[in-house]
Amino acid sequence: SQQGEEDPQALSIQEGENATMNCSYKTSINNLQWYRQNSGRGLVHLILIRSNEREKHSGRLRVTLDTSKKSSSLLITASRAADTASYFCAPRLDRGSTLGRLYFGRGTQLTVWP
Amino acid sequence: KAGVTQTPRYLIKTRGQQVTLSCSPISGHRSVSWYQQTPGQGLQFLFEYFSETQRNKGNFPGRFSGRQFSNSRSEMNVSTLELGDSALYLCASSLVGLAGANTGELFFGEGSRLTVL
Repeated sequence: SQQGEEDPQALSIQEGENATMNCSYKTSINNLQWYRQNSGRGLVHLILIRSNEREKHSGRLRVTLDTSKKSSSLLITASRAADTASYFCAPRLDRGSTLGRLYFGRGTQLTVWP
Repeated sequence: KAGVTQTPRYLIKTRGQQVTLSCSPISGHRSVSWYQQTPGQGLQFLFEYFSETQRNKGNFPGRFSGRQFSNSRSEMNVSTLELGDSALYLCASSLVGLAGANTGELFFGEGSRLTVL
């Protein structure tokens, strides 16, 4: 399978806590992307990490990538109720010939309680 | 800059009918891709278009088709609707840089929720 697989499937935390989601994939990648989806809405791009990068930050988000283990993690620090959403990782398998094709997993449903 | 616009947002059809969904990409984005999202199968890639040409196709029957116009707007069509076609259909656009390279990220619309009765 070429898609990413997120773990856990569901995560429930309190506001202010950190949330960590993991992603595993099976093939060589050019980059890996994380997206968020609020219930019934479109996906929003969060962050992209290239295969030659190990860590990337964006605001309260921190993404790591370990290509030797074919895994990535997304850390959301100081979670807020507004972070409640599904989070998807999407490995991009090559340098552009597939243009808009990403292989999404089933996602992690994050619930942040006030 | 306006985002990706999908119309209609919601629609209800009956089995056997056909439906056409529309997508207007972000200005300057020439790549448009379509995804189907269902609770059972998750996000599944339908097809993608660039310069009015279908560049890639997912594993869907021929009832699912699409096209892209010269202004990069895209439509997808589903004929002979089945109950299992009920889903959220998402369109995404991306910026294609020099030499056809893709910058990587997809910009999604809010989707068209299709219910087949």
